[in-house]
Amino acid sequence: DTAVSQTPKYLVTQMGNDKSIKCEQNLGHDTMYWYKQDSKKFLKIMFSYNNKELIINETVPNRFSPKSPDKAHLNLHINSLELGDSAVYFCASTLAGELFFGEGSRLTVL
Amino acid sequence: ILNVEQSPQSLHVQEGDSTNFTCSFPSSNFYALHWYRWETAKSPEALFVMTLNGDEKKKGRISATLNTKEGYSYLYIKGSQPEDSATYLCAFPSGGGADGLTFGKGTHLIIQP
Repeated sequence: DTAVSQTPKYLVTQMGNDKSIKCEQNLGHDTMYWYKQDSKKFLKIMFSYNNKELIINETVPNRFSPKSPDKAHLNLHINSLELGDSAVYFCASTLAGELFFGEGSRLTVL
Repeated sequence: ILNVEQSPQSLHVQEGDSTNFTCSFPSSNFYALHWYRWETAKSPEALFVMTLNGDEKKKGRISATLNTKEGYSYLYIKGSQPEDSATYLCAFPSGGGADGLTFGKGTHLIIQP
């Protein structure tokens, strides 16, 4: 059983399109996150959600929006994709500060 | 912005040798330090959470120490094996308990057979 799962693992799309990446955790954790691995392989936090409340919104473009239909899911929606959005996006959930990561979703914008 | 430095950026080690690398951080307002191991094409996995000055944690051949007064933590690997090749990240709580972790840029370790 995968604790934190993301779909799709790979996504190739054209500039200007709107896309979503789904994340589900079966750990019963209250807080979920989205991280972006940038071109220098650096992990940067984008969002966190706790009990359907957005806690952190780092300096990401408002084209990115997290949506949480329930405690076990935190989906990432991206509108009007740009070339610079190409990256690997990691979902994570937390227990007592320790993060459990999904396997990542590699987004390529052409 | 939390200033977390990891050194070296990359490290090549012969199989069987022992090695260590550093995570440096501001010593004021310390809360906790996390070490993660990140293998290529996989997701980061937690190794240790350290909270107390003088803490030493161990998992198999990997151990870590913490000095909160001088602001550093060392990660040691004894008798390196090829499967130890990975990027090792240190991380700190970004703010309050639910604010996630801020990661360092990592030390990329390559074990050469």
